[in-house]
Amino acid sequence: QVQLQESGPGLVRPSGTLSLTCGVSGGSITSTNWWSWVRQPPGKGLEWIGEIYHNGDTNYNPSLKSRVTILKDISRNQLSLILNSVTAADTAVYYCVREYSSSWPSYDIWGRGTMVTVSS
Amino acid sequence: EIVLTQSPGTLSLSPGERATLSCRASQSVISDYLAWYQQKPGQAPRLLIYAASSRAPGIPARFSGSGSGATFTLTINRLEPEDFAVYYCQQYSKPPPMFTFGQGTKLEI
Repeated sequence: QVQLQESGPGLVRPSGTLSLTCGVSGGSITSTNWWSWVRQPPGKGLEWIGEIYHNGDTNYNPSLKSRVTILKDISRNQLSLILNSVTAADTAVYYCVREYSSSWPSYDIWGRGTMVTVSS
Repeated sequence: EIVLTQSPGTLSLSPGERATLSCRASQSVISDYLAWYQQKPGQAPRLLIYAASSRAPGIPARFSGSGSGATFTLTINRLEPEDFAVYYCQQYSKPPPMFTFGQGTKLEI
């Protein structure tokens, strides 16, 4: 059973850089799945941030594309999310997720999420 | 970007009743690319339905999805107490690859 675990600082200063990692257990990040990040501001809905494929291909939400990078570390079997120039609007729970199938793009496995607050 | 609008915003029902949740897209969505999730307070979303009408593994048969084009529906028959939660629809489109979510429907007792 694949499990995902997000980790990273819970507090980031405005204009700083948000960096999170997602450890994958029970499976390999080199499997033929897309791996994504999704976020949810407090009391609000879900927003797709971007995704990475096993071959390293990436796609990003156009609204965040200029500030976001998603990477994978095969040796550590983990993903990472880097978001630059953060503001209070980036305060959210950040989820690491696995795409169920490229034929039916949806997310069957979610991490528990990690709360990140942007504040001075 | 395809915008998903869910209705109603809040649905008040009782256990044993049937819930009908709507998801309308700003333009036609490929059915294989439409999914539904359930989210309970303090938890991550859980995949219920993929490809508009296929139940994810382990999802009870009382959950069903239907629809095509720009109108999709999630139906929950004989509501159980644990079904009261927020429900989101989600679609995928390309080019460029993009996922969007509806704003959610809160199902409350």
